[in-house]
Formats: sequence, C-alpha cells, structure tokens
Amino acid sequence: DADVTQTPRNRITKTGKRIMLECSQTKGHDRMYWYRQDPGLGLQLIYYSFDVKDINKGEISDGYSVSRQAQAKFSLSLESAIPNQTALYFCATSDPNKGAGETQYFGPGTRLLVL
Amino acid sequence: RKEVEQDPGPFNVPEGATVAFNCTYSNSASQSFFWYRQDCRKEPKLLMSVYSSGNEDGRFTAQLNRASQYISLLIRDSKLSDSATYLCVVPWGFQKLVFGTGTRLLVSP
Repeated sequence: DADVTQTPRNRITKTGKRIMLECSQTKGHDRMYWYRQDPGLGLQLIYYSFDVKDINKGEISDGYSVSRQAQAKFSLSLESAIPNQTALYFCATSDPNKGAGETQYFGPGTRLLVL
Repeated sequence: RKEVEQDPGPFNVPEGATVAFNCTYSNSASQSFFWYRQDCRKEPKLLMSVYSSGNEDGRFTAQLNRASQYISLLIRDSKLSDSATYLCVVPWGFQKLVFGTGTRLLVSP
C-alpha cells in the first residue's frame, strides 16, 4: 500500500464550486505539505503543517484553505474554485528527525480541472 | 537570480550516452540539496541528496560547487528508463523546499 494517498485522483468541477482534496499518510510523519504544479513551473507551496496544531501559509495560499484533522490527514479546500486553479496538486510529508535536509515523500497527485 | 534555475531542456540523448544537467541557486546559506525525478504526470521521487561536495550512486553522480552556487547531476550510460524530468531542490531556510522547474531528459534507442 502507498504511504501517501490522495483522493480524488481526478476531479472536474465548475467555477464557484467548493471542493476538498484529501491526503492521508501512514509514514508517521509530523510534517505535511500541499503543492500545486503547473506546466513550465516548479512546484509551488500552498500550505504546510508541522504538526496537528500548526498551519502555515505557503507562497500561493490565496483561494485555498486547509485542515489538519490528525497527524495522518491533511485536507486542502478550494472555497470557490476558479479556472486558474486548474493544476496538478500534490500532498507531501517529511520527517525532520532524519537529520540535515528533509526528504519529502509525495502522494500520487490530484488532477483538478475547473471549468 | 531566481531562487533555483534549471535548463528546461529537453535533452535528447541516445542510449549509453553521458549527460549532465546543471542547477543554479541563489541562497548561499543552503547546506543541503536534492535531485528529484518526476515521470510524466507522476509524483516527484527523491533521486539523490547532496550534503557536501558530491554524491555518487551507481550511474548517477551529483556534485556541488558552493563558490559558484550550482549543483550538477551526471548520468552515465543512459538507459531508456532514465527518460524523465529531473528537479533540482534547494532548502530555503527552516521551512520550505524550493523546486526548480525541472530538466527534461529523453533517452532514445
């Protein structure tokens, strides 16, 4: 079984709709992240969480919100989807106790299309 | 200078060739660096970490030049299965990683 899972894997929605992307992990990591990836651009950080009570905005948090329901679960919401939120979304986890630098483990991604 | 810059490619090479990619970074305080591999429409996966001057793992060698602020990835004896996008990743302070846009490699028979 995959260590980091995302649901749904694909989603088509309409402008103005509220949608939620979910991420679960079995790695036991405290740190979780949400990124989006657009063609020709690097991964951009939306939100990150270092533990259940810690939520931080990333570079492009406008139009998004998150919820850290448990150590293993981190959800991303688009309150009112717009077409330029069409992208590939990745959830990731990391373990800061591994020493210098932190390997990030990514989920398989969610392809979102906003019409 | 952008935080992390990579030549997008694509680099088209025949099987068995040696190919090298460079990545420049602007944060001189960064101590560790990473190369991730991303297959088309899939998640990035860690390929190599670089903490000092370099690292070697089989056909892959990563080198760090702190004075010029770049890291390189060398792939020897390229395989068809090496075709992918290679992402250069640099930690930025305590809180985040900055991903380059990636270099696309196409290995042909």
